[in-house]
Amino acid sequence: AQSVTQPDIHITVSEGASLELRCNYSYGATPYLFWYVQSPGQGLQLLLKYFSGDTLVQGIKGFEAEFKRSQSSFNLRKPSVHWSDAAEYFCAVGAGAGNNRKLIWGLGTSLAVNP
Amino acid sequence: ETGVTQTPRHLVMGMTNKKSLKCEQHLGHNAMYWYKQSAKKPLELMFVYSLEERVENNSVPSRFSPECPNSSHLFLHLHTLQPEDSALYLCASSRGTDSNYGYTFGSGTRLTVV
Repeated sequence: AQSVTQPDIHITVSEGASLELRCNYSYGATPYLFWYVQSPGQGLQLLLKYFSGDTLVQGIKGFEAEFKRSQSSFNLRKPSVHWSDAAEYFCAVGAGAGNNRKLIWGLGTSLAVNP
Repeated sequence: ETGVTQTPRHLVMGMTNKKSLKCEQHLGHNAMYWYKQSAKKPLELMFVYSLEERVENNSVPSRFSPECPNSSHLFLHLHTLQPEDSALYLCASSRGTDSNYGYTFGSGTRLTVV
């Protein structure tokens, strides 16, 4: 079955520390992978996406993610976290083809940033 | 400015009330979506509209009734809701129904059914 797992429900890091949020997926075909962020009281915003090619993708706000097919993972990273990064982060995989392709979402990881 | 505006931001309604949620986008997108976000559950896709035609209805109870009068506006009409319908309802839009286009989300309507 197609699924997305975000093993960490909640993570707390100190401002300036590095960050890695984990995402594992289960999908039979070539995955299209996404990370979205939801700041408090806001909707979701696309951070980055992977379709093909270079397995390290850069996104907005200084985030990057690395696709590892052998581990079925697409972990999100940031070298130095800012207090404004406190938010909910969602990993998703696009399932289906073309106009029928829909997102399968993980449950999210809540990130808190200590000053 | 997210590009997708949802009103109201908060709504409290009784189980016998009728209310509507409104979503508006002026991004020139052709597809619009309603999602339900509940605690400890993945985002649930409720309805998909493409060029004002409903293309998907994910087994949503009939007490939720969508309407898309034009490509810029999307409504969700609510009636006879249950307490378990309390959630954050998110509207999104995209260039097309292929999720690879990426979605632009509104800030949501926090619905509480009492």
